Amino acid sequence: DTGVSQDPRHKITKRGQNVTFRCDPISEHNRLYWYRQTLGQGPEFLTYFQNEAQLEKSRLLSDRFSAERPKGSFSTLEIQRTEQGDSAMYLCASSLVVAPDTQYFGPGTRLTVL
Amino acid sequence: AQKITQTQPGMFVQEKEAVTLDCTYDTSDPSYGLFWYKQPSSGEMIFLIYQGSYDQQNATEGRYSLNFQKARKSANLVISASQLGDSAMYFCAMRGVTGNQFYFGTGTSLTVIP
Repeated sequence: DTGVSQDPRHKITKRGQNVTFRCDPISEHNRLYWYRQTLGQGPEFLTYFQNEAQLEKSRLLSDRFSAERPKGSFSTLEIQRTEQGDSAMYLCASSLVVAPDTQYFGPGTRLTVL
Repeated sequence: AQKITQTQPGMFVQEKEAVTLDCTYDTSDPSYGLFWYKQPSSGEMIFLIYQGSYDQQNATEGRYSLNFQKARKSANLVISASQLGDSAMYFCAMRGVTGNQFYFGTGTSLTVIP
C-alpha cells in the first residue's frame, strides 16, 4: 500500500496519562502534517515537518504536546498528562514539497480521555 | 486571519440530482488556494478538488466542480448526478500565502436519498 497510515486507530486513556501516536506518510512525501478534529468541527492545524525539521507549530500545540520526525520518515505525536479536552481525532497528512496543495490524509487516531 | 464559513450543517439530495454545498472565505492574502475534502464515516479525509485564487477558470474533477466567485469570496462545490456513496461530511478548506497551514470550515453533512 501506499497511503498514509496511523497507529493506533483508537486510544482510550485516563486523565493524566501520556499517550503517543504514530504516523507513517506516503513513502516519498517529505512534508508531514498533524491536525486535531473535535466533534462537529473541521480539522485544526497543529504542526508540520519538512523532512525531519519541524517548521511550524500552532498555538493550539501546548507544552504538553510534542511531535517528532527523527529520520524524516514516520512521525510521532505525544500528549503528556492528558486532559478530557484532548479527546479528539488526530489526523496526519503528507505531501510533496513540490506539490504542497495536495495533502493525503490518514484514517486518524481517535483519542478518548476518561 | 483566515476564516472559512460553511452555513449548511446538513443537506439532502435525491440520487442522480445535482447539489451545491456553500463555502465562503475571508482572507487578506493576495494569493491563496481553496479545497474541498470529503470525510466518510470511516474518518479519512479525501481530497476532491482545488482552485487557485488566480485561476481564471472554475476547477472541475469528474462529477465535482467548484463555483469560484472571487469578488463574493465564495467557493461552492457542485456535485452532479449524486450517488449513494456521496453521503459523507464535506469540508471546505483554504491555505494562505505561506502554503503550510490549512484552515477548514465546520463541514456540511450530505445525505443522498435513494
